[in-house]
Amino acid sequence: DTEVTQTPKHLVMGMTNKKSLKCEQHMGHRAMYWYKQKAKKPPELMFVYSYEKLSINESVPSRFSPECPNSSLLNLHLHALQPEDSALYLCASSQDHREPYEQYFGPGTRLTVT
Amino acid sequence: AQKVTQAQTEISVVEKEDVTLDCVYETRDTTYYLFWYKQPPSGELVFLIRRNSFDEQNEISGRYSWNFQKSTSSFNFTITASQVVDSAVYFCALSAEYGNKLVFGAGTILRVKS
Repeated sequence: DTEVTQTPKHLVMGMTNKKSLKCEQHMGHRAMYWYKQKAKKPPELMFVYSYEKLSINESVPSRFSPECPNSSLLNLHLHALQPEDSALYLCASSQDHREPYEQYFGPGTRLTVT
Repeated sequence: AQKVTQAQTEISVVEKEDVTLDCVYETRDTTYYLFWYKQPPSGELVFLIRRNSFDEQNEISGRYSWNFQKSTSSFNFTITASQVVDSAVYFCALSAEYGNKLVFGAGTILRVKS
């Protein structure tokens, strides 16, 4: 099973709201990733968790706060977002992040900030 | 620095035609990995292939084939007898030996018409 699930599929939030995106994988992968993808652009890496610890933060604004409660779950907490943060947020996992294993992606959450 | 160039922004073909998607990469690493991903309109990136820099053998998987040529720094992808379901955005990506940061190309939109 190479499935990564993400909830919700769609999210509309105001600039003062607090919301969370969730991601889950049951492949036993030890690396999990958050990407942001704007329309007609490739995905941009935001965060990497390796063995449940934050390994890479690509200088993402603090209004995005990742969390990895356990090896299967990854959350992205959102607070005080801006309209330009509207995008498709993709979660991915791989066997390990220390080597270039293939990453398996979830279907994404389409976020609209009003 | 690493870079991936997909010069074809959009390609349109008629069903059953063969189509080749070009990918040219730049890296100073001697060991690296190349990937192709498919992103259908649903949004999920689907892993297609991973190839390391020491394996220049071409690969065929059903209607898909890949041609890796280190001499020209290219990793091209051919779909034989294209189908409407092949319509998607295709991304070529590169990753160095250590760490799993994918550098994506801009993507090629493939439209297959019936």
